[in-house]
Amino acid sequence: DQQVKQNSPSLSVQEGRISILNCDYTNSMFDYFLWYKKYPAEGPTFLISISSIKDKNEDGRFTVFLNKSAKHLSLHIVPSQPGDSAVYFCAASAHNDMRFGAGTRLTVKP
Amino acid sequence: DAGVIQSPRHEVTEMGQEVTLRCKPISGHDYLFWYRQTMMRGLELLIYFNNNVPIDDSGMPEDRFSAKMPNASFSTLKIQPSEPRDSAVYFCASSPRQGDGYTFGSGTRLTVV
Repeated sequence: DQQVKQNSPSLSVQEGRISILNCDYTNSMFDYFLWYKKYPAEGPTFLISISSIKDKNEDGRFTVFLNKSAKHLSLHIVPSQPGDSAVYFCAASAHNDMRFGAGTRLTVKP
Repeated sequence: DAGVIQSPRHEVTEMGQEVTLRCKPISGHDYLFWYRQTMMRGLELLIYFNNNVPIDDSGMPEDRFSAKMPNASFSTLKIQPSEPRDSAVYFCASSPRQGDGYTFGSGTRLTVV
């Protein structure tokens, strides 16, 4: 069962513009949300996270927004850079039980 | 499609015991990955296979860990002997290609006491 959904398999953005990656979840027990970034031939690496007690967390060019009522979170990358081109996994956790979305491939064009 | 199937769902074992985690990938997926997830490190890639052949095991923490894929429909991750610090959730994932399209299993929560 897909408790975490990333409905856009791919996203293409021009360098310097904003990238917005979206994620929806169904389980209201999730209390911790993460984004992972994955380059080809590498494992996913942790990017940014947010606790359910917050609605925004910012780290440099990356900001994650959480809308609990809508069970929706998003990752904003501003400004986007070609090196950001990767697959981004949304993940949601409850009691160390983590579920991942299928991933969104972001391509940042120079 | 039942997805990637991992078993057991939970495993509690005593230190020093052998632990075997199992994974059945999605049929037709040529890549199989083993990940370990901890709150400290997030998701770590342990090893991955392509067409049943181990390609990169650099993430395997030490010799106590071993993984096999005897055929396209089955893989095991073995820890012998197990230690408390091995306690984590272990994920298996399969993919038809490298880089995306991952389907993860539900994970095995291992607790070594």
